[in-house]
Amino acid sequence: ELKVEQNPLFLSMQEGKNYTIYCNYSTTSDRLYWYRQDPGKSLESLFVLLSNGAVKQEGRLMASLDTKARLSTLHITAAVHDLSATYFCAVTNTGNQFYFGTGTSLTVIP
Amino acid sequence: KAGVTQTPRYLIKTRGQQVTLSCSPISGHRSVSWYQQTPGQGLQFLFEYFSETQRNKGNFPGRFSGRQFSNSRSEMNVSTLELGDSALYLCASSLVIAGGPGNEQFFGPGTRLTVL
Repeated sequence: ELKVEQNPLFLSMQEGKNYTIYCNYSTTSDRLYWYRQDPGKSLESLFVLLSNGAVKQEGRLMASLDTKARLSTLHITAAVHDLSATYFCAVTNTGNQFYFGTGTSLTVIP
Repeated sequence: KAGVTQTPRYLIKTRGQQVTLSCSPISGHRSVSWYQQTPGQGLQFLFEYFSETQRNKGNFPGRFSGRQFSNSRSEMNVSTLELGDSALYLCASSLVIAGGPGNEQFFGPGTRLTVL
């Protein structure tokens, strides 16, 4: 079964700082997704990464994919309070089934 | 464009009962997937339906079942509820088969099920 691991599980960072969330997966997959979930809310799609070396940026968030290393990163630049949420990565197997990571709970402190 | 809707939003049941949850996908979307989210197990895939056919199934007991109607609306049913079934149940819709090239899943607000 495909395993997806995220680290860290919890992240507390000061406003204005940079940090990276890591997503490792256990078997070959060339599609990786990042989602955001606010407390009590549903999941919001952030990025879809479809190929090795793919990089996408939206505001203060940038996601990248290295399929050879089976690694994706979500980089946060100059964090602001509004970014506080739980971030999930997910990959799909050959059967197109989604596997989600454990989630990273991010708290941005003023 | 209306998003994915789920009903009911909150549900309280007792052990042994059964429950049916409903999901209406975004108009034009033909794939509906269901997930269970708990603090301990995280997000786990239940099943996916496409054009009224179950295309994928996660590792859940047979008490969990679903179906999809011709208008793409989907229901999931849990029979003989157990305390451990308490969770947030999320459905997600996508234009074609979930996970297909360039495909995104759009999630509904979820149904919070509490089993007493």
